[in-house]
Amino acid sequence: EAAVTQSPRNKVAVTGGKVTLSCNQTNNHNNMYWYRQDTGHGLRLIHYSYGAGSTEKGDIPDGYKASRPSQENFSLILELATPSQTSVYFCASGPLGENTLYFGAGTRLSVL
Amino acid sequence: QEKVQQSPESLIVPEGAMSSLNCTFSNSASQSIWWYQQHPGKGPEALISIFSNGNKKEGRLTVYLNRASLHVSLHIRDSQPSDSAVYLCAVKKLSGSFNKLTFGAGTRLAVCP
Repeated sequence: EAAVTQSPRNKVAVTGGKVTLSCNQTNNHNNMYWYRQDTGHGLRLIHYSYGAGSTEKGDIPDGYKASRPSQENFSLILELATPSQTSVYFCASGPLGENTLYFGAGTRLSVL
Repeated sequence: QEKVQQSPESLIVPEGAMSSLNCTFSNSASQSIWWYQQHPGKGPEALISIFSNGNKKEGRLTVYLNRASLHVSLHIRDSQPSDSAVYLCAVKKLSGSFNKLTFGAGTRLAVCP
């Protein structure tokens, strides 16, 4: 069954440390997305990608980098983690030209 | 930037009742509106979408869209305890948005047996 898998599911990081969140999809979708979800804000788009080798800034990209080395994998990188980046992060994939997004189960990140 | 507001923040209904959720958006040129369902500890799952003014029915779900008032509603008939979840309204811009969806903060629905 097609799926979006995120790792790790939970992560505790220290302020100033580097954090990498990984996402793998078996949907063979061109588009991939990283969102964060915070109480009162809903889902906010951080970065997205059209395909391997491409990354684009979303609505709240500051403090985050993204990497899409292959069709299947899309990573979110926090070079210098801050407590304000404590959140639940969701990866999603979507087929080209369609609007449905398929989400992973999320990664809960705490930056202390 | 598109703004999406949902109401109420939370809703409690008895089993078998109708659940009604509301969403307003800021841009009348928005292309389509989606409703996603999110159970605790899980990612959102797409439920139903609408593009044209009017209503769309799928099973126990009915969506109403009024572009003039920038309002969309989701109605769940014969609500079941398994419907208990957070419901997210999402709006896609008409052009140049690359399937970018803007989400509301959600309505938490609890259906009591």
